[in-house]
Amino acid sequence: GAVVSQHPSRVICKSGTSVKIECRSLDFQATTMFWYRQFPKQSLMLMATSNEGSKATYEQGVEKDKFLINHASLTLSTLTVTSAHPEDSSFYICSARDVRGAQETQYFGPGTRLLVL
Amino acid sequence: QQQVKQSPQSLIVQKGGISIINCAYENTAFDYFPWYQQFPGKGPALLIAIRPDVSEKKEGRFTISFNKSAKQFSLHIMDSQPGDSATYFCAPSGGRRGKLIFGQGTELSVKP
Repeated sequence: GAVVSQHPSRVICKSGTSVKIECRSLDFQATTMFWYRQFPKQSLMLMATSNEGSKATYEQGVEKDKFLINHASLTLSTLTVTSAHPEDSSFYICSARDVRGAQETQYFGPGTRLLVL
Repeated sequence: QQQVKQSPQSLIVQKGGISIINCAYENTAFDYFPWYQQFPGKGPALLIAIRPDVSEKKEGRFTISFNKSAKQFSLHIMDSQPGDSATYFCAPSGGRRGKLIFGQGTELSVKP
């Protein structure tokens, strides 16, 4: 399958600071990427859909001013958690949509563990 | 709304046994039915997927069975191995660019 990377893999930050997470599709171009959040022992929750060259589409209940998404190129999307608080501590996972095959497939990154102190 | 119901929540199987995980959905517009495998601290990985024009698909030890009338699909893992111990998610979607709708997850433990 296709490869999607995330950086950093884990980050610890102080409350009130901002954290940027990068998501890259390494061997294909992705006009659409997705950002998910996953709490321990729970399923993945879609936060937003990132579209190259246009504004992200946020799911209901997700604050767009707190979770800034930028999809500046066909291989890179970034998620910035602004003014992070302890309740933002979670596992953030991105995915990229691969449209090369007959069936579009989403490939997931390895995730970023965020801990806000 | 809960569009996708996955069961069981957890499953313990002996090595060599068959693991069966079920996924029930409500949205008849779904036309893509994948199963993802997730190990602790990692992102989900696509395991196997099926389209509604077939009732079964097999890839190695993994089989998807699809029942359109019952709006259910299941994952069967034959000859289960300890290395299969992971959390499994069904995540159907509808339309060529539909969003994946994740089930609640099933934590599988295969005992040696």
